[in-house]
Amino acid sequence: AQTVTQSQPEMSVQEAETVTLSCTYDTSESDYYLFWYKQPPSRQMILVIRQEAYKQQNATENRFSVNFQKAAKSFSLKISDSQLGDAAMYFCAYVLGDSGAGSYQLTFGKGTKLSVIP
Amino acid sequence: DAGVTQSPTHLIKTRGQHVTLRCSPISGHKSVSWYQQVLGQGPQFIFQYYEKEERGRGNFPDRFSARQFPNYSSELNVNALLLGDSALYLCASSFGWAGMQFFGPGTRLTVL
Repeated sequence: AQTVTQSQPEMSVQEAETVTLSCTYDTSESDYYLFWYKQPPSRQMILVIRQEAYKQQNATENRFSVNFQKAAKSFSLKISDSQLGDAAMYFCAYVLGDSGAGSYQLTFGKGTKLSVIP
Repeated sequence: DAGVTQSPTHLIKTRGQHVTLRCSPISGHKSVSWYQQVLGQGPQFIFQYYEKEERGRGNFPDRFSARQFPNYSSELNVNALLLGDSALYLCASSFGWAGMQFFGPGTRLTVL
């Protein structure tokens, strides 16, 4: 079974600084996708960034970027120029590619609570 | 365009009761997935439905059931509620069965 591990239950960052959230995963498959989701107190799960396992280039979305190390099964999220609105729970998630299992089910880590200090 | 909607927002039930949660996907999306998020944990997959058929089921007891209607909306039913069923229930929709999932705001279920 696939597992996703987030080893940092809580992190904090000064406004305008950079922070990196860690995620490792365990899978024997080669076709999969990785995601970072943000969940603010409003509870809505919002997609931050997505990485296809077959792509070597790290995904970026504005101030958000990932460091995808496939051999090490590591997928960290870097937030640059942190803003107060970035404060939320961040979840790392994995899904098997559509050539695999019959369902497209996300497997989530336990999350990292990010606080942004003004 | 409206996003994924869920109803009700909050729900309080007592042990042994039955509950029905509802989800309307984004217009044009044909797949709905359900997740349970217990406080302090990441969401756990319960069901996926695509084109009105069950595509997958997570490790949940038979007390949990779901269905998808011709308009692609979905219901999650939980029978014989236990205290441990207290959680945030999230619905996610996608265009295809293997597409990007967009989440709704969730239903907070409290079982007393």
